[in-house]
Amino acid sequence: EIVMTQSPATLSVSPGERATLSCRASQSVSSNLAWYQQKPGQAPRLLIYGASTRATGIPARFSGSGSGTEFTLTISSLQSEDFAVYYCQQYNNWLPITFGQGTRLEIK
Amino acid sequence: EVQLVESGGGLVQPGGSLRLSCAASGFTFSSYEMNWVRQAPGKGLEWVSYISSSGSTIYYADSVKGRFTISRDNAKNSLYLQMNSLRAEDTAVYYCARTSGYDSDFDYWGQGTLVTVSS
Repeated sequence: EIVMTQSPATLSVSPGERATLSCRASQSVSSNLAWYQQKPGQAPRLLIYGASTRATGIPARFSGSGSGTEFTLTISSLQSEDFAVYYCQQYNNWLPITFGQGTRLEIK
Repeated sequence: EVQLVESGGGLVQPGGSLRLSCAASGFTFSSYEMNWVRQAPGKGLEWVSYISSSGSTIYYADSVKGRFTISRDNAKNSLYLQMNSLRAEDTAVYYCARTSGYDSDFDYWGQGTLVTVSS
């Protein structure tokens, strides 16, 4: 099983500033990595797939980078609606597909 | 508009059974692979099961293998999860999620249905 480790667990950032979230895989997942945003009481929403491609309708302030085992989600100029929990997911190895434990992005 | 609507959750005793359904609309259901993903209260996301577009290929997480059965009815645009021998640790919100047609990420999710296993 590929273990996905996200850091930090909680990130405190002021509105308008940049947030950088990290995700590390226990073995290479190539670029088969997605990022999701989840707000309280809501389903996860796809932000990024293929490590760096924004999903339909996702604002340009969200960007993803990395390949292999190290990945980053960057949110430039945080908006109030961006404060949420973010999960990375690898889909390189399907048995099983695995998610990181999440990073909570909170208002500083 | 793509919509996935889960139903069938509720309170069940340990050892009991429950069948979840996911009604799909707004896309050609028979062309897409589907999944179940769960989230225990206050916890992260856990992939549970996958089914191919035709239903011929199925995968399960080890934690549910032998107890849960995924299935689909393409004529009814519906996905199912039969859950038997339920345990307290199966308590979670269960989401159905569509595998993207471009890649293998999950591009659409339902709102989820809560399953509580408790005596």
